[in-house]
Amino acid sequence: EVQLVESGGTMVQPGGSLRLSCAASGFIFRTYSMHWVRQGPGKGLEWVSVIRGNGRGADYADSVRGRFTISRDNNRNSLFLQLTSLTTEDSGLYYCVKEHSTGWPNFAQWGQGTLVTVSS
Amino acid sequence: SSDLTQDPAVSVALGQTVTITCRGDSLRIFSASWYQQKPGQAPILVVYGENQRPSGVPDRFSGSRSRGTGSAALTITGAQAEDEADYYCNSRDITGNLVTFGGGTSVTVL
Repeated sequence: EVQLVESGGTMVQPGGSLRLSCAASGFIFRTYSMHWVRQGPGKGLEWVSVIRGNGRGADYADSVRGRFTISRDNNRNSLFLQLTSLTTEDSGLYYCVKEHSTGWPNFAQWGQGTLVTVSS
Repeated sequence: SSDLTQDPAVSVALGQTVTITCRGDSLRIFSASWYQQKPGQAPILVVYGENQRPSGVPDRFSGSRSRGTGSAALTITGAQAEDEADYYCNSRDITGNLVTFGGGTSVTVL
């Protein structure tokens, strides 16, 4: 059974930084691209970033490019998201997402999310 | 703002059929996927790749796409009370390198 467990969310001040983690199990982690998707309070889903299975390619939404960095450790079956220069607009629930075997953007499994609150 | 547009809300009588639409230029090139999200829960993939359903998703959920008009649709045939939820479409963006979501449609089953 696929499991994705996010951690690292907390309250942080504007301009601050944070590192989110996702522990994956139940599948061959290195063979799948992995994504982060976020959802602001009372808002819709927003795709944030993707990293290829070998870790050598990544892309970002325009809203976070240059501030967020996605990475992975295939030896530890872990996905990360480094968040910097945070604003209140970055507040929300951050989901770790595994693509379907047919590829992205078919998002087959989602974690339960980790909550980031940016507030002074 | 999203590159994909959805109507904010629709309602359907119990047992009837409802269609949710998603519009965007990228849908002329790429197919859409659809997700169901209930309050306090993570989204669930219900349709992908034009009209494929993951195992466990009831066959009352179906998808379609019109390349010419740049639109996709999710149809629930014989809506049940448990289908009341928010539904989101997503696809690749027009460049094919990024992902975009629609703003979501809230479905109420009367």
